[in-house]
Amino acid sequence: QSALTQSASVSGSPGQSITISCTGSSSDVGGYDYVSWYQQHPGKAPKLLIFDVTNRPSGVSHRFSGSKSGNTAYLTISGLQADDEASYYCTSYTVSGTVIFGGGTKLTVL
Amino acid sequence: QVQLVQSGAEVKKPGASVKVSCKASGYTFTASYIHWVRQAPGQGLEWMGWINPNSGVTKYTQRFQGRVTMSRDTSISTAYMELTGLSSDDTALYYCAREGIGWRLDDWGQGTLVTVSS
Repeated sequence: QSALTQSASVSGSPGQSITISCTGSSSDVGGYDYVSWYQQHPGKAPKLLIFDVTNRPSGVSHRFSGSKSGNTAYLTISGLQADDEASYYCTSYTVSGTVIFGGGTKLTVL
Repeated sequence: QVQLVQSGAEVKKPGASVKVSCKASGYTFTASYIHWVRQAPGQGLEWMGWINPNSGVTKYTQRFQGRVTMSRDTSISTAYMELTGLSSDDTALYYCAREGIGWRLDDWGQGTLVTVSS
């Protein structure tokens, strides 16, 4: 099964908002509300940002939000900060009972 | 607090096998699935599979079927991932992660670097 599709890179200036998309199919993203997003800084383990499409774990900034439309999920980061510069990955549960990751999006804060 | 502590870096020759451990603490080990995820140098995250520590039931992604075995020892709250038939393509950082509710990976180990080189 191929990875979920994410744009390779995105950039924004401090204070701006950016949105990262994650496209799958009706067998994964479109079929279940089990989409999560992770942030990974270089040399660090991934960190959960969003789960079940829209929910934030305690301790995650309100600047991070998630949504979904059809087979595509979105992560929006508002009020960009320098520390947001990282790679972002989406995941989804699949009809096969497995989990699939997106290819990752590298965010550059200009 | 939840902690997942993985075993140290490994260097293996092509064709060999590697077994990585993941020792859990700070929660009831049998209450949460453990997932394994790998990341090749400079590449993205790749999901490998999960194990239910309570029952021992596993689920692997098709790409690793026949080469990967996930197991656990509940007496020491430790999960294992064994990968056989290693090639240079298996050089990667291997992570274990604890699943919260709903297929989210709440807590991650520090990663174990496996290098495959002749």
